[in-house]
Amino acid sequence: SQTIHQWPATLVQPVGSPLSLECTVEGTSNPNLYWYRQAAGRGLQLLFYSVGIGQISSEVPQNLSASRPQDRQFILSSKKLLLSDSGFYLCAWSVPPLRDEQFFGPGTRLTVL
Amino acid sequence: SQKIEQNSEALNIQEGKTATLTCNYTNYSPAYLQWYRQDPGRGPVFLLLIRENEKEKRKERLKVTFDTTLKQSLFHITASQPADSATYLCALPPTDSWGKLQFGAGTQVVVTP
Repeated sequence: SQTIHQWPATLVQPVGSPLSLECTVEGTSNPNLYWYRQAAGRGLQLLFYSVGIGQISSEVPQNLSASRPQDRQFILSSKKLLLSDSGFYLCAWSVPPLRDEQFFGPGTRLTVL
Repeated sequence: SQKIEQNSEALNIQEGKTATLTCNYTNYSPAYLQWYRQDPGRGPVFLLLIRENEKEKRKERLKVTFDTTLKQSLFHITASQPADSATYLCALPPTDSWGKLQFGAGTQVVVTP
């Protein structure tokens, strides 16, 4: 069966510090991978998605970046965090067109102080 | 621009009653629509997918309808239970993109005993 891991689960970082969040998927090959951010009480905002190794599409211009060094690994990074980067970060995978639904990881709660 | 609207007010309902949630969309011609459940501090979990040629779909106590003329989906929870308390999100694939979803902000359901 497929599983998706994210870490860390929670993170408190000062403004201006770097960020690295990692997501790995097990039990599937060549998935689409996604990074979302959810602000408190708000909907899901798609940040990046990837259809293959090294292929990243950015949805929203910002100080974040994403990389996909391996087929089932997706990394979200920042060189300098802003207060507005605080939120709940979710990684997800899907395998269209076989499975159109998305499967989400447990999320990372990021607080920037 | 494409827009998804869900009732932002929480739906408070008594145990045993039927909860009905609405998802309206504009400027989409979706091939399908999906519903997810999200518990506090967790990632969304896929519930149901309904395709444009399907009027209704059921899964246990859940029922989804899809009216492409009205551009609306209704999500019903019958015989609701306190364990059904969560936020429910609808999601649509953008018309101009493949493998992505856009999510509504969700409607919170609170089922009281």
